[in-house]
Amino acid sequence: AQSVTQPDIHITVSEGASLELRCNYSYGATPYLFWYVQSPGQGLQLLLKYFSGDTLVQGIKGFEAEFKRSQSSFNLRKPSVHWSDAAEYFCAVGDRNYGGSQGNLIFGKGTKLSVKP
Amino acid sequence: NAGVTQTPKFRVLKTGQSMTLLCAQDMNHEYMYWYRQDPGMGLRLIHYSVGEGTTAKGEVPDGYNVSRLKKQNFLLGLESAAPSQTSVYFCASSYGGTQTYEQYFGPGTRLTVT
Repeated sequence: AQSVTQPDIHITVSEGASLELRCNYSYGATPYLFWYVQSPGQGLQLLLKYFSGDTLVQGIKGFEAEFKRSQSSFNLRKPSVHWSDAAEYFCAVGDRNYGGSQGNLIFGKGTKLSVKP
Repeated sequence: NAGVTQTPKFRVLKTGQSMTLLCAQDMNHEYMYWYRQDPGMGLRLIHYSVGEGTTAKGEVPDGYNVSRLKKQNFLLGLESAAPSQTSVYFCASSYGGTQTYEQYFGPGTRLTVT
């Protein structure tokens, strides 16, 4: 069955430092991969997506992610973290097993990011 | 353009009571979804709809029912609430085709069942 693992439950980084959030997936075919962000008390917002092609994808708010098929990973990165990046981040894989064009998302359990001044 | 809205924002129920959560979207999206979010569990799909008048079960459908009588609305019902249904509920919507996975989320409904 498809699954998504985010190994880090909580990460704290200093403002201005670089960030990498890990995501590993289990999927039998070429996956559709996503990162969503959830600010406190809010719904989720799409940061970036990978369907095919260039394995390094750019998203909003200065985030990027790299798809590595050999490692079954899709890690999220940002060169310099801002205090406003404090949120919870969810990696997700698009599940095509429901058939047709129906695309359900399977989410990881999330990584909470705290930013120190 | 309000996006995805959810009503109510908060609700407290007693065990056995019923209620309906309303989701509305103004983006003319075909697909709509109901998720629940529990601490340490991520988001889990309850039910979804691929168009007006159609619904289907997701990962955790037991204890919930849904209806999509109008394209812009997706209702989630709890007929007899249980403490295990205490959660934050999110509605989402998307276009079809390759945009199916790009889901737009509402702000959530925090439900407590005592």
